[in-house]
Amino acid sequence: NAGVMQNPRHLVRRRGQEARLRCSPMKGHSHVYWYRQLPEEGLKFMVYLQKENIIDESGMPKERFSAEFPKEGPSILRIQQVVRGDSAAYFCASSLDRGTTSGYTFGSGTRLTVV
Amino acid sequence: GIQVEQSPPDLILQEGANSTLRCNFSDSVNNLQWFHQNPWGQLINLFYIPSGTKQNGRLSATTVATERYSLLYISSSQTTDSGVYFCAVEPNAGGTSYGKLTFGQGTILTVHP
Repeated sequence: NAGVMQNPRHLVRRRGQEARLRCSPMKGHSHVYWYRQLPEEGLKFMVYLQKENIIDESGMPKERFSAEFPKEGPSILRIQQVVRGDSAAYFCASSLDRGTTSGYTFGSGTRLTVV
Repeated sequence: GIQVEQSPPDLILQEGANSTLRCNFSDSVNNLQWFHQNPWGQLINLFYIPSGTKQNGRLSATTVATERYSLLYISSSQTTDSGVYFCAVEPNAGGTSYGKLTFGQGTILTVHP
């Protein structure tokens, strides 16, 4: 079991470009959670997805950010028209069912730098 | 929402010393986890401990859910223990908070050789 896989590990984008971050959950897991860690801040919840459904997006910025978890393939966090303030580390976690009885395991994160 | 406070914010140790990190939370929780973010930024899950005591090598943790705090003990610290330690909780909110961990601000630990 390879754990939660995120790619790329590092991503550099110019202002105005699009960023696509990928998260492959642990084998058999169908629930994915995205978090963002801004510089000098703790990690904050962004969105919770189940296969083909957004369950809770209460932490997502209202504009330019979207997330999906298709029936096949990884979950994608998409940031359109990136700005310098989007520079952060983005982490995802996964679980077998809603919630956990053993703790959430996080991927190694994607570090986005907007120049 | 639930508040999570960690102390101390910074801790500097000599190799071999012991330390205790504290996490206070403001409401009942389904889940409490301790994480270590290493200098490469990776977030390592140390303990899932909504209540009780667990030990893993030189690390141990205790959560007293009724008093809303958790402690992480590091014994015989090593330079590789350096990094940021986060406590994160999932509120007991009737099923609406699954996956919504609230993280504390972390304790920055530096262990000198």
